[in-house]
Amino acid sequence: AQSVTQPDIHITVSEGASLELRCNYSYGATPYLFWYVQSPGQGLQLLLKYFSGDTLVQGIKGFEAEFKRSQSSFNLRKPSVHWSDAAEYFCAVGSPDYGGSQGNLIFGKGTKLSVKP
Amino acid sequence: TAGITQAPTSQILAAGRSMTLRCTQDMRHNAMYWYRQDLGLGLRLIHYSNTAGTTGKGEVPDGYSVSRANTDDFPLTLASAVPSQTSVYFCASSESGGSYGYTFGSGTRLTVV
Repeated sequence: AQSVTQPDIHITVSEGASLELRCNYSYGATPYLFWYVQSPGQGLQLLLKYFSGDTLVQGIKGFEAEFKRSQSSFNLRKPSVHWSDAAEYFCAVGSPDYGGSQGNLIFGKGTKLSVKP
Repeated sequence: TAGITQAPTSQILAAGRSMTLRCTQDMRHNAMYWYRQDLGLGLRLIHYSNTAGTTGKGEVPDGYSVSRANTDDFPLTLASAVPSQTSVYFCASSESGGSYGYTFGSGTRLTVV
């Protein structure tokens, strides 16, 4: 069955430190991969997406993610975290080949990021 | 600003009562979705619609119904609310299935007592 795993429920980093959030997927078809961010009390905002081509994708707010097919991973990174990055982050996978649902996204359970001053 | 509007923002509802959560988008997206978000469970798909006039069931459809009479509106109805439907509900839309990513509304926080 298709699934997305975010192994870390909660991560705390110091402001200015680097960040890596992990995402692993299990998907039979060619995956499209996404990272979303959710600030408290808000909806989800798209950070970046991977469809094909260069496996390192750049997103908004200084984030990037790397697709590694051999590891079924799509980890999110940021070189220097800002206090405003504190939020919950969701990885998602989809594909137009996914049965009758025509590409409904499957979401991970999220990783909550806290930032220490 | 273009996007998705959800109403109400929050609601307290007595068990057994019915309620419709409203969702309107102005981006002319074909596909629309309803998710519920619960602590520790992430986002779970309730119902979806790939185009006006069609709907489909997601992972947790029981107790919910939807309709898609036109492109812009995708209301979610709880016919007889139960406490387990206490959740935050998000509406989302996409140009073409989910392949290009979703745009989300700001959510409706529903408490069933």
